Amino acid sequence: DAKTTQPPSMDCAEGRAANLPCNHSTISGNEYVYWYRQIHSQGPQYIIHGLKNNETNEMASLIITEDRKSSTLILPHATLRDTAVYYCIVRNDYKLSFGAGTTVTVRA
Amino acid sequence: DAGVIQSPRHEVTEMGQEVTLRCKPISGHNSLFWYRQTMMRGLELLIYFNNNVPIDDSGMPEDRFSAKMPNASFSTLKIQPSEPRDSAVYFCASTKGLAGDNEQFFGPGTRLTVL
Repeated sequence: DAKTTQPPSMDCAEGRAANLPCNHSTISGNEYVYWYRQIHSQGPQYIIHGLKNNETNEMASLIITEDRKSSTLILPHATLRDTAVYYCIVRNDYKLSFGAGTTVTVRA
Repeated sequence: DAGVIQSPRHEVTEMGQEVTLRCKPISGHNSLFWYRQTMMRGLELLIYFNNNVPIDDSGMPEDRFSAKMPNASFSTLKIQPSEPRDSAVYFCASTKGLAGDNEQFFGPGTRLTVL
């Protein structure tokens, strides 16, 4: 699986959009980009995934660059409950390889 | 949906004792995963079952660890004998199918402390 690079931490104001970047320059054509998050003391929670096209669901939007070497997870209106570690993962099989992720702190 | 169910949620035991962690996957899911999370190593995959058959156990630390899946609705992870370095949060996850285009649903985890 391709490796990903994420900033270790970022802050966000409550009610504002949170834009979480992820670099995956060695991604191959059949690898999906997945985002999970882990709220303190809970199991990881699936957020969204995509292959080439941008995706949106009730939780977030995923923007993948045309060359697929990077992506951005957008939380449109961050709340205090969105404080968590966010993991960007690329995969093409059953394996989810979690890196260190980005610790996102939403402040009131 | 009840989600993935794990028991116990917390386990405290003494070094040398046998520990058994339990997992009930989401009904209809045919793939099951056991993960371990520690501060030092993060989240790592221990073993993966598909249709009750172990497919990849390369993440199992050593022979003290064993996992079984006797049927589609139940799996166990056993540590015998347990050691302090096994202290971690153990997560179970399940999904349908094998391919990369499906999400894994995680349980709440079992926090294991070995004294």
